[in-house]
Amino acid sequence: GQQVMQIPQYQHVQEGEDFTTYCNSSTTLSNIQWYKQRPGGHPVFLIQLVKSGEVKKQKRLTFQFGEAKKNSSLHITATQTTDVGTYFCAGGRSGGSNYKLTFGKGTLLTVNP
Amino acid sequence: DGGITQSPKYLFRKEGQNVTLSCEQNLNHDAMYWYRQDPGQGLRLIYYSQIVNDFQKGDIAEGYSVSREKKESFPLTVTSAQKNPTAFYLCASRGTSGLLSYNEQFFGPGTRLTVL
Repeated sequence: GQQVMQIPQYQHVQEGEDFTTYCNSSTTLSNIQWYKQRPGGHPVFLIQLVKSGEVKKQKRLTFQFGEAKKNSSLHITATQTTDVGTYFCAGGRSGGSNYKLTFGKGTLLTVNP
Repeated sequence: DGGITQSPKYLFRKEGQNVTLSCEQNLNHDAMYWYRQDPGQGLRLIYYSQIVNDFQKGDIAEGYSVSREKKESFPLTVTSAQKNPTAFYLCASRGTSGLLSYNEQFFGPGTRLTVL
């Protein structure tokens, strides 16, 4: 079945440093979504990428979707303590009327103030 | 106040007992999902339903059952056949109409089940 690999599993940074998490799929994706889960909370949608080579920015966050639509990355510039949490990518595949997301295992980001 | 509710937040059960987790949404979403989250494992799909009275198995359906009799509700039963039921269970819903074909999923607050 479809697999979505995400690395690294953990990342600890000093406040102000940059952070990147990478996502790779074993198959071509229809789209990719990114979610953030704060400690003790539930996943919250951040963004979706659909087009090959797409790049989107949200303030200090930059999201990329690879040309082959099999990989993606999330980059945070100058991390802040509010960025703490687990970041998940989720690859979407359509099969007829059937659509579901496959989540990566997530990257837990901790930030030292 | 629109959203997804899951109750209870914490649930304790004895081994061998079935338990049903509640998930209700008032977002008028057609699709609903159940995920299991274990430390270091991410979110794994248990069951999903794209329309009332229809549902499909996800990647780890063994030992679980669901029903979808109403659009708003998608309860999950953890049966005694589930070998390792202690986990954090998340319900989500997704709208399937509109210009954006792949709408995002909205998650409930989750239920943490502990089987003693």
